[in-house]
Amino acid sequence: AQSVTQPDIHITVSEGASLELRCNYSYGATPYLFWYVQSPGQGLQLLLKYFSGDTLVQGIKGFEAEFKRSQSSFNLRKPSVHWSDAAEYFCAVGASGNEKLTFGTGTRLTIIP
Amino acid sequence: ETGVTQTPRHLVMGMTNKKSLKCEQHLGHNAMYWYKQSAKKPLELMFVYSLEERVENNSVPSRFSPECPNSSHLFLHLHTLQPEDSALYLCASSQVVYTDTQYFGPGTRLTVL
Repeated sequence: AQSVTQPDIHITVSEGASLELRCNYSYGATPYLFWYVQSPGQGLQLLLKYFSGDTLVQGIKGFEAEFKRSQSSFNLRKPSVHWSDAAEYFCAVGASGNEKLTFGTGTRLTIIP
Repeated sequence: ETGVTQTPRHLVMGMTNKKSLKCEQHLGHNAMYWYKQSAKKPLELMFVYSLEERVENNSVPSRFSPECPNSSHLFLHLHTLQPEDSALYLCASSQVVYTDTQYFGPGTRLTVL
């Protein structure tokens, strides 16, 4: 079965600074990888996904993520954060066949002026 | 309405009450999911329906009873809940079960007194 680790529980970044959120997965074959964002009191919104092809994936709101098979990672990046990016971010891994989506425990992002 | 909607958004109930959560997806998807999100825990998959047939019941207590009358609607019937059942309940849908991107509703915040 697959698993996901988000090593950072909470990250604080200054507005305008760059951001990288870490995600490591464990799965024997090529995984399907997702990043979701959740604002307080809201559901999860898909930021981006990787199924195959180009390992650098562009998403909404200026986010991107890079799939690195050798490091079993799918880190999320943004060159310049905005106060509205403050939220909880979840990485998830899925697979072909009847494999359910497995979520990480999330990283809470705080933006300071 | 677009996307995935959930009603009610907030629900407070006593341990002896019976209530239902409703989810509706407007995306033409064939699979629907119930998740439970508790503080400081990963998302827990509860139930999965594909083409109105239940395909996963993730060891959920019988006080939670799902119903999927058609591919657009999903219910979660609640009875004799416990305080530890207080959580955010999220509904999601996808075109194909498991292997496709899941789209989430805003959730129902449930408080059991």
